Amino acid sequence: GAGVSQSPRYKVAKRGQDVALRCDPISGHVSLFWYQQALGQGPEFLTYFQNEAQLDKSGLPSDRFFAERPEGSVSTLKIQRTQQEDSAVYLCASSPPTQGSLREQYFGPGTRLTVT
Amino acid sequence: AQKITQTQPGMFVQEKEAVTLDCTYDTSDPSYGLFWYKQPSSGEMIFLIYQGSYDQQNATEGRYSLNFQKARKSANLVISASQLGDSAMYFCAMREPGGASYDKVIFGPGTSLSVIP
Repeated sequence: GAGVSQSPRYKVAKRGQDVALRCDPISGHVSLFWYQQALGQGPEFLTYFQNEAQLDKSGLPSDRFFAERPEGSVSTLKIQRTQQEDSAVYLCASSPPTQGSLREQYFGPGTRLTVT
Repeated sequence: AQKITQTQPGMFVQEKEAVTLDCTYDTSDPSYGLFWYKQPSSGEMIFLIYQGSYDQQNATEGRYSLNFQKARKSANLVISASQLGDSAMYFCAMREPGGASYDKVIFGPGTSLSVIP
């Protein structure tokens, strides 16, 4: 079936603009994660949803970042008043309810955000 | 705090030869999981292999094997018979222990692998 999809793939924003990044997880996956990947670094956790509930938002870097998943499927990561340091690739991942001890996360292609 | 270290920023390997990518981790919890992901230039993270802390045997998946040395907190990835398509970034990651219904995964800084024809 279809994998995790993200849109847009590329986004250029002027500093101070608001942006919204979309993630479509794999159908049936209850867990959804957002990561931020700066250039040349590994992904860093931002937030986690179980269905529509945001159970962990400890990785969100500031109150300009918030995420939602109102119906437990599609999720949107919103960044208000973008700053240059927000430039990164934003990755979305989903995982099914249980996989024993593996609990693999399936990643989307990411959205590359450039703030000018 | 949990941490992943990958000391090789870049590696080169001749096509058809084997290569080992290093990974060490730090955790005080006895229950954890270790992953390796591949990230080609297209950007998507591709799951390669998983090792649970209680698994008795080293994990293998096709040309990928994980050299798990628990006492040394080491989880090196071995790629046998390298192919040109193996050129990519490789990330070692650890599932943060203690998670009930979900897993916060911590990634290392990555190793860039280039396969030379």
